[in-house]
Amino acid sequence: EPEVTQTPSHQVTQMGQEVILRCVPISNHLYFYWYRQILGQKVEFLVSFYNNEISEKSEIFDDQFSVERPDGSNFTLKIRSTKLEDSAMYFCASRGTAGGEQFFGPGTRLTVL
Amino acid sequence: QQQVKQSPQSLIVQKGGISIINCAYENTAFDYFPWYQQFPGKGPALLIAIRPDVSEKKEGRFTISFNKSAKQFSLHIMDSQPGDSATYFCAARSSGNTPLVFGKGTRLSVIA
Repeated sequence: EPEVTQTPSHQVTQMGQEVILRCVPISNHLYFYWYRQILGQKVEFLVSFYNNEISEKSEIFDDQFSVERPDGSNFTLKIRSTKLEDSAMYFCASRGTAGGEQFFGPGTRLTVL
Repeated sequence: QQQVKQSPQSLIVQKGGISIINCAYENTAFDYFPWYQQFPGKGPALLIAIRPDVSEKKEGRFTISFNKSAKQFSLHIMDSQPGDSATYFCAARSSGNTPLVFGKGTRLSVIA
């Protein structure tokens, strides 16, 4: 069964450093998303991406964040200068059609020290 | 307007019992209401979903009840098992390429 994969599973970084979280969405899916979940809290939307551009972003997704689909398979989230409050689980999701189901990856746990 | 309110925050149910989790929303543009199950260290996995043209959907031991006029929907887990112990999130979104709005989650513990 096709699945969304994410790497790394756990990333530890120092405050102020740049991190890149990687995702491989399900092949032939067209819509891509990043969500985050601070420990013990709800899942929050960050950004959606379609047709090689951002379609929607939340207020959390400020100038420190960027997304890219550098090739036909990877979808990345970059945090340019990490802050302590960026520590969270980051989930990538993909969807085949606009009204279809979103499939989530297993997440990357980001720890900012 | 964009919030989905979920209750209870935590739930303890005896094995074989019925687990009931409730959600309410305000945005009448929402037209898709999924429930996700999340185990520790894992991503949310779709459990069951409903659209507002039906009042109930059942898949195995899991049932969604939907009340459009009250803007509420609930998840019922029949014959709850210890393996059902997880965090459950309700969510909602409107049509098209719109993101999911999640409730705060319910931590379910099924005890033998």
